[in-house]
Amino acid sequence: DAGVIQSPRHEVTEMGQEVTLRCKPISGHDYLFWYRQTMMRGLELLIYFNNNVPIDDSGMPEDRFSAKMPNASFSTLKIQPSEPRDSAVYFCASSPGQTQYFGPGTRLTVL
Amino acid sequence: AQKVTQAQTEISVVEKEDVTLDCVYETRDTTYYLFWYKQPPSGELVFLIRRNSFDEQNEISGRYSWNFQKSTSSFNFTITASQVVDSAVYFCALSEAKWTGTASKLTFGTGTRLQVTL
Repeated sequence: DAGVIQSPRHEVTEMGQEVTLRCKPISGHDYLFWYRQTMMRGLELLIYFNNNVPIDDSGMPEDRFSAKMPNASFSTLKIQPSEPRDSAVYFCASSPGQTQYFGPGTRLTVL
Repeated sequence: AQKVTQAQTEISVVEKEDVTLDCVYETRDTTYYLFWYKQPPSGELVFLIRRNSFDEQNEISGRYSWNFQKSTSSFNFTITASQVVDSAVYFCALSEAKWTGTASKLTFGTGTRLQVTL
């Protein structure tokens, strides 16, 4: 069975550019989570969805960040405009309830 | 607010030694879940175990074992006869459990880097 799929795996962009990260959850999982990992702040939740509806977006840093889940098999995390402090590994995770299974992550570098 | 503390930043052991990774948590919830994840050098996060707050039985899976003690708010992880492939960062995490079958955000500890050498 395919796990959580994230694309791209690596993204290098320049400050001010728009960045879109993509996630395909495990089929049948009702929950989808976006986390960010940095050296300074560790692993922190950005937002999560249940049945495509955002439940908790309190971790979204600011208005530059937005996330959507148009259907059960796809989610995007968009940063516009990007800044160097957004450089991090962004993980998507999905869950059928309780346990979360993580994708391989997207390493974002903003120059 | 929930909090997870992994006081050991880095541990180095020689292969075949036993090693215990400590995890202490804080929560006001009466029902919650505890997790351990492994992050090998390749970077992915691999689920190892989940425990709910009503189940204090220790668990063993091969060389891995977990000790959950509600009285001390601890959920420690022991690797017996460590191997080089165990080298990774290990994260302890906590989530509330509103009701059975629901998921909620994970609060992670800062991780413990385990280095196993020959």
